[in-house]
Amino acid sequence: DIQMTQSPSTLSAFIGDRVTITCRPSQSINSWLAWYQQKPGKAPKLLIYKASSLESGVPSRFSGSGSGTKFTLTISSLQPDDFATYYCQQYETYPITFGGGTKVEIK
Amino acid sequence: EVQLVESGGGLVQPGGSLRLSCEASGFALSRYWTHWVRQAPGKGLVWVSRINADGSTTTYADSVKGRFTISRDDAENTLYLQMNNLRAEDTAVYYCAKVAENYYSFFESWGQGTLVTVSS
Repeated sequence: DIQMTQSPSTLSAFIGDRVTITCRPSQSINSWLAWYQQKPGKAPKLLIYKASSLESGVPSRFSGSGSGTKFTLTISSLQPDDFATYYCQQYETYPITFGGGTKVEIK
Repeated sequence: EVQLVESGGGLVQPGGSLRLSCEASGFALSRYWTHWVRQAPGKGLVWVSRINADGSTTTYADSVKGRFTISRDDAENTLYLQMNNLRAEDTAVYYCAKVAENYYSFFESWGQGTLVTVSS
């Protein structure tokens, strides 16, 4: 199975900060990576697919980059609505696997 | 508008069975791959199973293989997850999810989830 290592597990930031979350697969997944945002008690929401493609309706302050074994999710200017937990997911091969999550908190 | 609505969760004893349903609207399940993903309380997301568009191929996580069965009723446009021989570690919120495009298993739409609690 491909292990997905996300870092950090928790991140404290101010409104307006630039935030970066990293995801490292245990082997190359080309660009078959998605990012999701999840708020408490809610289903995950797709933000990014194919490493850098922005899902329709997602604000442009979210961006993704990377390929192979290192990927990043960047929020260019953190907004109050962005405080949530973020997950990466590989879909290169089965079993599909997710990162452990990064909780973004208010500083 | 695409909508997925899960039901069927509840409290079940270890060794028991439960069948989850996921009613789809706004699209035909027979045209898209659909998946089940679960999340234990306070934990991360874990993929469980998938079924392809024509229903000919199913795939399972090792942790549920032989115990869970994914299926579909196209006339009812409903996805199912039959869960047998349940264990405490199966306790989780179960989500059904739809892919944006077949063969690329990232999830553009999710249901609201249904909670399964396995406990005596």
